Amino acid sequence: DADVTQTPRNRITKTGKRIMLECSQTKGHDRMYWYRQDPGLGLRLIYYSFDVKDINKGEISDGYSVSRQAQAKFSLSLESAIPNQTALYFCATSDLVGGDQETQYFGPGTRLLVL
Amino acid sequence: KQEVTQIPAALSVPEGENLVLNCSFTDSAIYNLQWFRQDPGKGLTSLLLIQSSQREQTSGRLNASLDKSSGRSTLYIAASQPGDSATYLCAVMNDGNYQLIWGAGTKLIIKP
Repeated sequence: DADVTQTPRNRITKTGKRIMLECSQTKGHDRMYWYRQDPGLGLRLIYYSFDVKDINKGEISDGYSVSRQAQAKFSLSLESAIPNQTALYFCATSDLVGGDQETQYFGPGTRLLVL
Repeated sequence: KQEVTQIPAALSVPEGENLVLNCSFTDSAIYNLQWFRQDPGKGLTSLLLIQSSQREQTSGRLNASLDKSSGRSTLYIAASQPGDSATYLCAVMNDGNYQLIWGAGTKLIIKP
């Protein structure tokens, strides 16, 4: 089974709808991240969480919110979806190892289309 | 503000060739630099991580180098295979906030 899972894998929604993207991990990592990827651009950080009680805004948090329900679960919500939120969304996890920032492990992505 | 650039955006080479992918960044105050591979529908996979104090890392046919002073990294792929076809992404972790700043990637096609 995959270490980082995302649901749904694909979603089509209409402008103004509220939707939630979910991420679960079995790696036991404290740190979790949400990114979006647009064609021709690098990944951009939306929100990140270093533990259940620590939530931080990333580069492009406007229009999004998150919930860290448990160490293993980190959800991303679009309060009122708009077409320019059409993108590929990735969840990732990481951990500190011996004081060093370890690499990030990614889920397979959720492809979102907002009509 | 840190910016990461990858050139070229796409590259097509015959199988068996050695090749180099390039990554440049504007701020040398980095914590580490990472290379990832992205396959359609499968997310991103970490290939190599170079700490700021290191000059290179190797894994199998892959070798990544880092020159902080010039703001450059290269990913060298030896004896390329069709299975190496993917998009390769470079990401820099800023010293201080530990956030990854990403390049747009190089789409690599290895022709059989």
